[in-house]
Amino acid sequence: GAGVSQSPRYKVTKRGQDVALRCDPISGHVSLYWYRQALGQGPEFLTYFNYEAQQDKSGLPNDRFSAERPEGSISTLTIQRTEQRDSAMYRCASSLTISGNTIYFGEGSWLTVV
Amino acid sequence: AQTVTQSQPEMSVQEAETVTLSCTYDTSESNYYLFWYKQPPSRQMILVIRQEAYKQQNATENRFSVNFQKAAKSFSLKISDSQLGDTAMYFCAFMKSQGAQKLVFGQGTRLTINP
Repeated sequence: GAGVSQSPRYKVTKRGQDVALRCDPISGHVSLYWYRQALGQGPEFLTYFNYEAQQDKSGLPNDRFSAERPEGSISTLTIQRTEQRDSAMYRCASSLTISGNTIYFGEGSWLTVV
Repeated sequence: AQTVTQSQPEMSVQEAETVTLSCTYDTSESNYYLFWYKQPPSRQMILVIRQEAYKQQNATENRFSVNFQKAAKSFSLKISDSQLGDTAMYFCAFMKSQGAQKLVFGQGTRLTINP
């Protein structure tokens, strides 16, 4: 696609529910990143993939958070048993090469946990 | 661990003026990349400019330029002839050139361009 596409753009869920956020990177981009951004803050790294391999998941807050990219293209970030503190914008980004020095962000998925 | 600090939470200038946003960072790496991203009210995240630490020449993109001082670990963004469309949150970010490819962002500077 022309840009990084994320869905849903907005998600309201009840506390305790599981949520899956989808990211479709720019076509041909080998690296894919997930970030979380709270209101008034800069984005914080969660995890990233080169092709289908998860390279670094040190930013995932706890074991309720997981991500996958099974075919090296679309990725899903899953949050289990959501809590109110999970409310934030979740941003996906991709880069053409593994060196990743030009990273393009999607418009983000707003998650509100009520 | 790397840290990025933007000491100006908010700035406001008149249209057509020049404005400089400050950014400092802390790292023990010798090779890395620095970025400025723009986040307008639409909440998109737009790459404005990129600097490679091994390059001494400051990066320039049209009205946007940086002042990169490696020894001082400073990376300021200058916007010349500011326009109303420049109103946005601006984030400075750091990335190592080796190892984990992750951006470390500052807290942001909210820039308002007044007519």
